[in-house]
Amino acid sequence: EDQVTQSPEALRLQEGESSSLNCSYTVSGLRGLFWYRQDPGKGPEFLFTLYSAGEEKEKERLKATLTKKESFLHITAPKPEDSATYLCAVRPNWNTGNQFYFGTGTSLTVIP
Amino acid sequence: DSGVTQTPKHLITATGQRVTLRCSPRSGDLSVYWYQQSLDQGLQFLIQYYNGEERAKGNILERFSAQQFPDLHSELNLSSLELGDSALYFCASSTGISGDTEAFFGQGTRLTVV
Repeated sequence: EDQVTQSPEALRLQEGESSSLNCSYTVSGLRGLFWYRQDPGKGPEFLFTLYSAGEEKEKERLKATLTKKESFLHITAPKPEDSATYLCAVRPNWNTGNQFYFGTGTSLTVIP
Repeated sequence: DSGVTQTPKHLITATGQRVTLRCSPRSGDLSVYWYQQSLDQGLQFLIQYYNGEERAKGNILERFSAQQFPDLHSELNLSSLELGDSALYFCASSTGISGDTEAFFGQGTRLTVV
């Protein structure tokens, strides 16, 4: 069964304290792995798409990486405005419907 | 702003009632997805339409249905509502059916069933 697991469930960081969020997946072939940021009561906001192992994408303080079994979202010198829930989603390549399968997210709190 | 518009933003209704949620995708996007997000369950895929045709079904209850119209907007109909249907309902859209492109989400409709 295809699964997406994110860890940790919650993470509290001091401002400037770098860390990484993990997304582990077991799918029958991967067409894409997607990272989203979600603020409370809002829709998920697209961050990155990764397609193949070894790929990396960066945006401001965020960097996403992909291996054959997991993806990491590295947050460098975070600021309070980075506080949000970060969601990972995968699209298996058998999936003709192309829907995403989401993990339950990591809730990040950055303390000033 | 993702370009995906959902209405209404909030909806409060009684058990047993029927409601319709509306979604306008980003300009040019042909695929529309509906997701349900409950506090304890994360984002659950309900259904996808592509250019007016149903493309895929997820864990959508028989009491729920959806359609996509010729102008590509989509509606999600929820009937015989139960307390457990209270959740955030999100619509997302993407350009094609190839599966390689990201989806953009609307701000959601918060449904409260009392």
